[in-house]
Amino acid sequence: KAGVTQTPRYLIKTRGQQVTLSCSPISGHRSVSWYQQTPGQGLQFLFEYFSETQRNKGNFPGRFSGRQFSNSRSEMNVSTLELGDSALYLCASSSRQGNTGELFFGEGSRLTVL
Amino acid sequence: GNSVTQMEGPVTLSEEAFLTINCTYTATGYPSLFWYVQYPGEGLQLLLKATKADDKGSNKGFEATYRKETTSFHLEKGSVQVSDSAVYFCALSEGFTGNQFYFGTGTSLTVIP
Repeated sequence: KAGVTQTPRYLIKTRGQQVTLSCSPISGHRSVSWYQQTPGQGLQFLFEYFSETQRNKGNFPGRFSGRQFSNSRSEMNVSTLELGDSALYLCASSSRQGNTGELFFGEGSRLTVL
Repeated sequence: GNSVTQMEGPVTLSEEAFLTINCTYTATGYPSLFWYVQYPGEGLQLLLKATKADDKGSNKGFEATYRKETTSFHLEKGSVQVSDSAVYFCALSEGFTGNQFYFGTGTSLTVIP
C-alpha cells in the first residue's frame, strides 16, 4: 500500500510569492491534516480536512489555506510568503474519525523563503 | 487548552544504556497519547500509543504508560541501540470531532557505540 505522498519535496521562493503544496493520502483515508515543523516550534497544526470539509483549524494567519478534493487529495496554499514561513510542511492522513486514530505522515515539503 | 511538554534534548547515550524521555501533557478532556519517531531523512512514524488511563503502549522495546494522576506519558527503553538514534515526539489527540494532534517540540537522541 503506497504511503502518503507529498510534492514537491523541496522548493525555494522569495518573499511575497505564493506557494501550493500537494498531498496524496493513503488509499482509503479520508482525513488529511497539515502541520508546520520548525526547529524552534516543533510541529504546529495547520488544519484538517475530512470528506472535503475543513474540520479543525490551527492558529495560523489567513495567508495559510487549504482544500481537499473528492479523491481525498489535499493542497495547501501560502500566500504573500514571509521569511518566517520557511519550514518543513508535513501532511498526514488517517482512516479514523475519532481521536484514537494513528496519523500516517509523508516525508514533507521543505520550503525555503528568501 | 491542550499542550504537550517534553524533555529538551539533545540526549546522548552509550549503546545498551537505559533511556527515559519525559513527557507531560495538559488536556481538557480524555486524550489519547502517542509517541512518534523521526529517523534521519524519514517522515514521522508512530512508535506507540495509549488511549486511556493506565494503558501501556509498547513497541520495539520501547514502553510508555498513560498516567492520568501525573498527566505524564514518559518513554522508556531498557537498552538502546545505535539504530534508535532519532528524534522522538510526544503527542496527544483529543479530537472527538477530528484529528487535531498536539505535539511536543521533540527530543533528539543519539546513541553511540
